[in-house]
Amino acid sequence: DVKVTQSSRYLVKRTGEKVFLECVQDMDHENMFWYRQDPGLGLRLIYFSYDVKMKEKGDIPEGYSVSREKKERFSLILESASTNQTSMYLCASSLDLSYEQYFGPGTRLTVT
Amino acid sequence: QQPVQSPQAVILREGEDAVINCSSSKALYSVHWYRQKHGEAPVFLMILLKGGEQKGHEKISASFNEKKQQSSLYLTASQLSYSGTYFCGTDINTGTASKLTFGTGTRLQVTL
Repeated sequence: DVKVTQSSRYLVKRTGEKVFLECVQDMDHENMFWYRQDPGLGLRLIYFSYDVKMKEKGDIPEGYSVSREKKERFSLILESASTNQTSMYLCASSLDLSYEQYFGPGTRLTVT
Repeated sequence: QQPVQSPQAVILREGEDAVINCSSSKALYSVHWYRQKHGEAPVFLMILLKGGEQKGHEKISASFNEKKQQSSLYLTASQLSYSGTYFCGTDINTGTASKLTFGTGTRLQVTL
């Protein structure tokens, strides 16, 4: 079974802090994704990566950056957290961009 | 631009049928369907590729009309386990690294 794990289920940070969200997948998938999920807005893509050190902006990249130094690990970085970044963050991976995505359990981030 | 899902919410009695629709303003290469139960990660249901194919698994099936840029998910003889939020994800495959854009979801509740 594909397993996608995220470093924290719940996280509370203060405005202005630098925040790292980590995601690890164990199935040698080429592609990894970061989404945020807000009530009534569905899943919105922040960034994705189709290879190590490669990244592409999603639909809402502003205020975020990503890092993929190893194939199995994809990090989402909030350089200076703001209250409007309070959300559920979901990581996903897939073998191919046209294949099914496997999601992690999510990190609920609260910025105060 | 996010695809439009309808209805936004539906309540069914066990054994009843439901249809969830997903419409895009852009030509589609594929449509993905996911279900998310409360407090859990989204789980893949099926992918429909350009070509208008219909897929199915037990009592859940889907169709894809590429001319109308629409997909529909059919839930037959619903069970309590079908409760959750259903998302469609659309891929317009522009030739660069493709990505999914998800709709805002349809909340389905099945009652006794």
